[in-house]
Amino acid sequence: QQQVKQSPQSLIVQKGGISIINCAYENTAFDYFPWYQQFPGKGPALLIAIRPDVSEKKEGRFTISFNKSAKQFSLHIMDSQPGDSATYFCAALITGFQKLVFGTGTRLLVSP
Amino acid sequence: EPEVTQTPSHQVTQMGQEVILRCVPISNHLYFYWYRQILGQKVEFLVSFYNNEISEKSEIFDDQFSVERPDGSNFTLKIRSTKLEDSAMYFCASSTPRGRGNTIYFGEGSWLTVV
Repeated sequence: QQQVKQSPQSLIVQKGGISIINCAYENTAFDYFPWYQQFPGKGPALLIAIRPDVSEKKEGRFTISFNKSAKQFSLHIMDSQPGDSATYFCAALITGFQKLVFGTGTRLLVSP
Repeated sequence: EPEVTQTPSHQVTQMGQEVILRCVPISNHLYFYWYRQILGQKVEFLVSFYNNEISEKSEIFDDQFSVERPDGSNFTLKIRSTKLEDSAMYFCASSTPRGRGNTIYFGEGSWLTVV
């Protein structure tokens, strides 16, 4: 119930392509869904986040799509760049409990 | 931009020894957390701390672990008697008061190696 499932485990995308990472959850009490970007040896950094009352949120090249009925959400990185090569984690939180549940991570490599 | 700072960045310790990891959260934040990440795995919640007490802890956070806010700026994680399986990256994090969509900010981590 507290798990967030993430796929794929790794992803190789050509420069300029679209990177898509998917996550699914079971607990309908989750009400905040952030995506974190992590470079090797660094801490997770918030990339973009969405609440379930919105179906899509876009910030620059990054878009979250949210499907409440399917309990799924995804991250799209448009015009992917080599600098986007990192591990991406989806996460979920229940407001008031302040405990992030992370997905298993996706290692993205954007080839030049 | 304000950031969460952690020390040490890397510590090697012998099994059975006590370890203290230190963190300075963002100054106006009131919620503090410790997470850990075993190499190659996902980030796991350990404990949250608010108003000078633990608000929630995970199954990982057993009696060997403790947290403390000894003064107005530092937040520490103590592992009383380290085990090999405690080897991981430990992340401190902080956030603003409860509210819809608040952001949890992470430090760069303390890499703990138990030998």
